[in-house]
Amino acid sequence: DAGVTQSPTHLIKTRGQQVTLRCSPKSGHDTVSWYQQALGQGPQFIFQYYEEEERQRGNFPDRFSGHQFPNYSSELNVNALLLGDSALYLCASSLRTGTWDTEAFFGQGTRLTVV
Amino acid sequence: AQRVTQPEKLLSVFKGAPVELKCNYSYSGSPELFWYVQYSRQRLQLLLRHISRESIKGFTADLNKGETSFHLKKPFAQEEDSAMYYCALKRGQAGTALIFGKGTTLSVSS
Repeated sequence: DAGVTQSPTHLIKTRGQQVTLRCSPKSGHDTVSWYQQALGQGPQFIFQYYEEEERQRGNFPDRFSGHQFPNYSSELNVNALLLGDSALYLCASSLRTGTWDTEAFFGQGTRLTVV
Repeated sequence: AQRVTQPEKLLSVFKGAPVELKCNYSYSGSPELFWYVQYSRQRLQLLLRHISRESIKGFTADLNKGETSFHLKKPFAQEEDSAMYYCALKRGQAGTALIFGKGTTLSVSS
């Protein structure tokens, strides 16, 4: 099992452009969460997808959007990129079992640099 | 509001010394508390989950609801413990997000 895989590993974009980041969850997991980690900070929750719907959202603008596919993989899209969007973007997957979640496994992250 | 505070950015100790990484949280309900660790060039991984009450790699953490703390402790630090440690909080129900602290870098030298 490759665990959680994210692509690409690094990305450089220009201000105003749009970017799509991808995540494949750990085998058997059905829930994907995205986090933004700025330099020197802890990960900040962006949103979570379960059953192909956004279930919970953190304090991020509508420029951040996502999608989950039937195979549970997910995409994070960011429109109108700002310099402040430069960060490490982490994907985490887990399995929802009724009233609780299993351990969240994290990917290696995608390092986005906006110039 | 839910918040996790890790007051120390950096903790430097010598090999064999005791370690305590501090974590305080604010949440009015019944939270789940976690410690995550990130070793150099590796992904973030779960170290401890308070509900499991396990000891992993010699580390323990006790949830103190009165002091709203979840400090991470190890009696004798090893050089391989050098890493970034994050305390995280989650509402105690399915489908909720992890709220992370800013992290503490532990540096263990010989």
